[in-house]
Amino acid sequence: DTGVSQDPRHKITKRGQNVTFRCDPISEHNRLYWYRQTLGQGPEFLTYFQNEAQLEKSRLLSDRFSAERPKGSFSTLEIQRTEQGDSAMYLCASSFNRGLNTGELFFGEGSRLTVL
Amino acid sequence: KNEVEQSPQNLTAQEGEFITINCSYSVGISALHWLQQHPGGGIVSLFMLSSGKKKHGRLIATINIQEKHSSLHITASHPRDSAVYICAVLRNMLTFGGGTRLMVKP
Repeated sequence: DTGVSQDPRHKITKRGQNVTFRCDPISEHNRLYWYRQTLGQGPEFLTYFQNEAQLEKSRLLSDRFSAERPKGSFSTLEIQRTEQGDSAMYLCASSFNRGLNTGELFFGEGSRLTVL
Repeated sequence: KNEVEQSPQNLTAQEGEFITINCSYSVGISALHWLQQHPGGGIVSLFMLSSGKKKHGRLIATINIQEKHSSLHITASHPRDSAVYICAVLRNMLTFGGGTRLMVKP
């Protein structure tokens, strides 16, 4: 297993276009998180999944953002009608959680979005 | 007030100095993570703590659950330790501190 992988690593798009990012977590990791990081800032929580269930979604996320994890393995994050303010690094992380015990967190390299 | 506060925001040290980065949080948590991010690089998890103290090489992390406070210490700092160090607390989701930008000069 090569860790958490994200694709694409960099996406440049025009305002108004839709983009989709994919995250492949470490296999058997049941928890998957999406974060956003703008230059010079710390990551901001977007949403997370426990297996295929999306358990929480940040108020930062507008209706233009949607995330799925259909089979409890890989996840996609789609941004519709992109705006320049969406330009950021989109980070994915995964862990294995059992009951109240939380596992080590592993991050992907991120997908950098530039909206022109 | 942010749920997770880190201090200092920026730190410059000379090689060999002992470094402490602090993290305070205001909510009940199940775990606390210390993360490292090099310029232009990805995020790497250094420690996950739910109590006590952990040590890995020159890095030591401590947590006081009652005081809702954690510290990350770097002994014998080296220029390659220059990075942003981020504290993140876990309830259901992770909430991040603003990060501490560390520069270690040779």
